[in-house]
Amino acid sequence: AQSVTQLDSHVSVSEGTPVLLRCNYSSSYSPSLFWYVQHPNKGLQLLLKYTSAATLVKGINGFEAEFKKSETSFHLTKPSAHMSDAAEYFCVVSQMNTGFQKLVFGTGTRLLVSP
Amino acid sequence: EAQVTQNPRYLITVTGKKLTVTCSQNMNHEYMSWYRQDPGLGLRQIYYSMNVEVTDKGDVPEGYKVSRKEKRNFPLILESPSPNQTSLYFCASSFNAGRAGYTFGSGTRLTVV
Repeated sequence: AQSVTQLDSHVSVSEGTPVLLRCNYSSSYSPSLFWYVQHPNKGLQLLLKYTSAATLVKGINGFEAEFKKSETSFHLTKPSAHMSDAAEYFCVVSQMNTGFQKLVFGTGTRLLVSP
Repeated sequence: EAQVTQNPRYLITVTGKKLTVTCSQNMNHEYMSWYRQDPGLGLRQIYYSMNVEVTDKGDVPEGYKVSRKEKRNFPLILESPSPNQTSLYFCASSFNAGRAGYTFGSGTRLTVV
């Protein structure tokens, strides 16, 4: 079965500094991987997805993630944090389950951005 | 606008009083799913549906029911809510068997006292 581990429950950065949110996955075959963001009192929004094409995936709002099979990692990065990036971020792996891709969520990383 | 709509956004109820949380999508998606979100646990799947009249249990189905009589609607039913069902609930839908990702509703925060 597929699983994901988000290595940090909280990450704090200053505005304008780089962001790194870490995610390791476990998968018995080539996975599809996603990052979702949840702003306070909002639903989940898809940031980016990896589905076995380019290993460096660019998403919305300047975020990107690199799929590294040798390290089983899919870390999310952004060169310069903005106050509006403060939110909870979920790394998600999908697994095939009787004809559809079931999502398996990590436990989330809360990103705090200070002025 | 393409969206998944959940109602209500907030609900406080008492133990044992049946309730329904509605979910509707306007994208003609075949696949719909319900999740609950609890602190430190991420989102866990409750039930899913691959099409009309096709539903199945997810990882935490106990205490919940669903139905899929129309393609656009996928209500979540709590026949006898208990305090351990206090949670934030999300409905999601997708096409192409989920390969392109999912669209989530805005969530329903349920408190059972």
